[in-house]
Amino acid sequence: EVQLVESGGGLLQPGGSLRLSCAASGFTFSSYAMNWVRQAPGKGLEWVSYISSGSSTMYYADSVKGRFTISRDNARNSLYLQMNNLRDEDTAVYYCARDSSGYPGPFDYWGQGTLVTVSS
Amino acid sequence: DIQMTQSPSSLSASVGDRVTITCRASQTISNYLNWYQQKPGKAPKLLIYLASSLQSGVPSRFGGSGSGTDFTLTISSLQPEDFATYYCQQSYSLPPTFGQGTKVEIK
Repeated sequence: EVQLVESGGGLLQPGGSLRLSCAASGFTFSSYAMNWVRQAPGKGLEWVSYISSGSSTMYYADSVKGRFTISRDNARNSLYLQMNNLRDEDTAVYYCARDSSGYPGPFDYWGQGTLVTVSS
Repeated sequence: DIQMTQSPSSLSASVGDRVTITCRASQTISNYLNWYQQKPGKAPKLLIYLASSLQSGVPSRFGGSGSGTDFTLTISSLQPEDFATYYCQQSYSLPPTFGQGTKVEIK
């Protein structure tokens, strides 16, 4: 069974940093590209970042470019999102999502999400 | 960025009804259109990919159609477990973008 479990969310002040993790199991992690997608409270879905299976290619939404860094450790079956210089508008549930095609989307499996709250 | 616009934003329907949700792209996206279902407090679930392909395990009452700029998600006979919010998403070009969502509520 495919499982994706996010962790690392929390409450922090604007300008702070946080590292999210996503532990994958039930599939060959190293064969799949992965993504982060977020959802602000009561709002819709926003794609954040993509990383290819071998980490050779990364993409970012303009809203996080230069502040967030996606990475992965295929030996540990783990995906990460380093978030720096956080802003109020980064408050959201962050989901990791498996990419079924090797290009951003469709996202065939999602984790349960981890909440990041940025507030002074 | 390609803008995805769903209509309606919400609808009320009864169990057994046929429900249609529309998604329009701001430019052509061929058939690179996916549909997701999200229930409150839960992660989204992929229903349809490449406009009309049913994801494994998804009931056959869900169907998708369209190409170019106009797409539809149809639920042929609404079931109690189908009350949720539905999102379309284009995977034609970066960045992948989602529609604003359509909330399907019980009448």
